[in-house]
Amino acid sequence: AQSVTQPDIHITVSEGASLELRCNYSYGATPYLFWYVQSPGQGLQLLLKYFSGDTLVQGIKGFEAEFKRSQSSFNLRKPSVHWSDAAEYFCAVPTYTGNQFYFGTGTSLTVIP
Amino acid sequence: DVKVTQSSRYLVKRTGEKVFLECVQDMDHENMFWYRQDPGLGLRLIYFSYDVKMKEKGDIPEGYSVSREKKERFSLILESASTNQTSMYLCASTLNGAHHGYTFGSGTRLTVV
Repeated sequence: AQSVTQPDIHITVSEGASLELRCNYSYGATPYLFWYVQSPGQGLQLLLKYFSGDTLVQGIKGFEAEFKRSQSSFNLRKPSVHWSDAAEYFCAVPTYTGNQFYFGTGTSLTVIP
Repeated sequence: DVKVTQSSRYLVKRTGEKVFLECVQDMDHENMFWYRQDPGLGLRLIYFSYDVKMKEKGDIPEGYSVSREKKERFSLILESASTNQTSMYLCASTLNGAHHGYTFGSGTRLTVV
C-alpha cells in the first residue's frame, strides 16, 4: 500500500542554518510527491511537487526537494532558514486511484534566533 | 488564485448539538474533502466528494455526515457533537485529481464542551 513516513516529529534549527526534512515513501511505481507547509493556525499550502524528470525540484519560499528512487526518499531542503519558516511540514503522495492523498504525520519546525 | 473558504475560524459548541461546518471553493473544482487534524495523528480523511450529490466515506466517517448540493459547497455535519470531536477541521479541493495538488481552506478549530 502507498504510504509516506516522516521520521522526525520535531526539528529545531538556528536562523540562517540549513534545513533538511526527511520523507520516505512506499509506492508501487514512480510516485507523484508533494510537500505542504502549515503555518500556525492556518491551512496547508503547497510548497512543491515532483511528477517526473529532473529529480531536484524547486518550490516557493526558497525550498527545494530531491527525489531519490534508490532510497525511496523525497527530502525537503532549504540552504538558510528564516524565522518565518517555523511551521509544520507535510509530505504527501496520491493514492493509486489518484483522487486522494496519503499525508505523513508532519514535522514541526522551530527556528531559534 | 483559487480560494477555499471555511465559514468559521473558531467555533464552540455544546455536547449533543448539531454542528454545520461550511466550505466553499470558487474555481469549479470537482473534488472536495474534509479532514480533521489532531496532534500526533496528522490529517485524517473524514469524507470526500467527486461531484455534486456524491459522497464517499474516508477513514474516520463515524459521527459525521456531509452534503454537497452545489458544486462549490461542501458541508460537514456533526450530527450530535461530542467532546472527542474537538479538533481542527480542514477543507480542501482539487480540480479532478490529487496530482493537481489540493487547495486548503484556513481551517475551523472546533471546541465541543
